[in-house]
Amino acid sequence: GAVVSQHPSRVICKSGTSVKIECRSLDFQATTMFWYRQFPKQSLMLMATSNEGSKATYEQGVEKDKFLINHASLTLSTLTVTSAHPEDSSFYICSARPYTGLADTQYFGPGTRLTVL
Amino acid sequence: RKEVEQDPGPFNVPEGATVAFNCTYSNSASQSFFWYRQDCRKEPKLLMSVYSSGNEDGRFTAQLNRASQYISLLIRDSKLSDSATYLCVVNGRDSSYKLIFGSGTRLLVRP
Repeated sequence: GAVVSQHPSRVICKSGTSVKIECRSLDFQATTMFWYRQFPKQSLMLMATSNEGSKATYEQGVEKDKFLINHASLTLSTLTVTSAHPEDSSFYICSARPYTGLADTQYFGPGTRLTVL
Repeated sequence: RKEVEQDPGPFNVPEGATVAFNCTYSNSASQSFFWYRQDCRKEPKLLMSVYSSGNEDGRFTAQLNRASQYISLLIRDSKLSDSATYLCVVNGRDSSYKLIFGSGTRLLVRP
C-alpha cells in the first residue's frame, strides 16, 4: 500500500523555538496533503489543507502565521510550528491524497509527537 | 453540536464477544463514510469504507442509514488484537476530500 513518512517521530523543544515537521509520500505523488493535530483523548482535528505549489488553506481558528506550511513538491509538505509554547504540545499527523485514485482516499503518516517544555 | 458524534466508551468485552459501535453525523450532504482504527500513540489506519448497502469484511460489518444519519460497526468474535479506538469518519461539509473525525470509541477485549 501507499506509504507516508513523517520526520521527526518525536521532538522535545524549549518554549520559543521553532520546530519543522516533514511529511513525505514515498511511493506516490500527492496532490494534496493534510495536517492534523490530536490532543490526548481527543479526535484528530484538521489544521490545514496543503496543495502543491499554492498556499495552504487553514481551518477556522488555526493561526497561519504560527503554523507555516510549505508544499514544495508532489511528495513533500512541511509544517513549521513557530515560537512553540507548551500548549502546542500535541500529536501532529499528516496525510496525503494521491494524484490519481479516489478523491476521498488518504494515507496517514505515523505522526510526530511534539513536547514543548 | 459536533459534526461526528460517537460514544467514547470504553467497551470492555470478553474474547469472542460481538460488539457494536454507533456514530451519528450532522451533514446530510456527506457522501463518504469510513471506520478507522487507531492504536495508542499511533496514526489512524483505515479499517473499512461504509457503503449505502452495507458491507462486510471478515468479522467486521459496517452499515449506513442515510435517513437517520447514522453509521454502525459490528465486530464479531472479538480478538484481543481488536483492542483499539475506533474512529467514525465522514467527508467534510465544504469538500469531498476533507475528513471529519469522530472522537472515537475505545474497545478493550479481555481474555
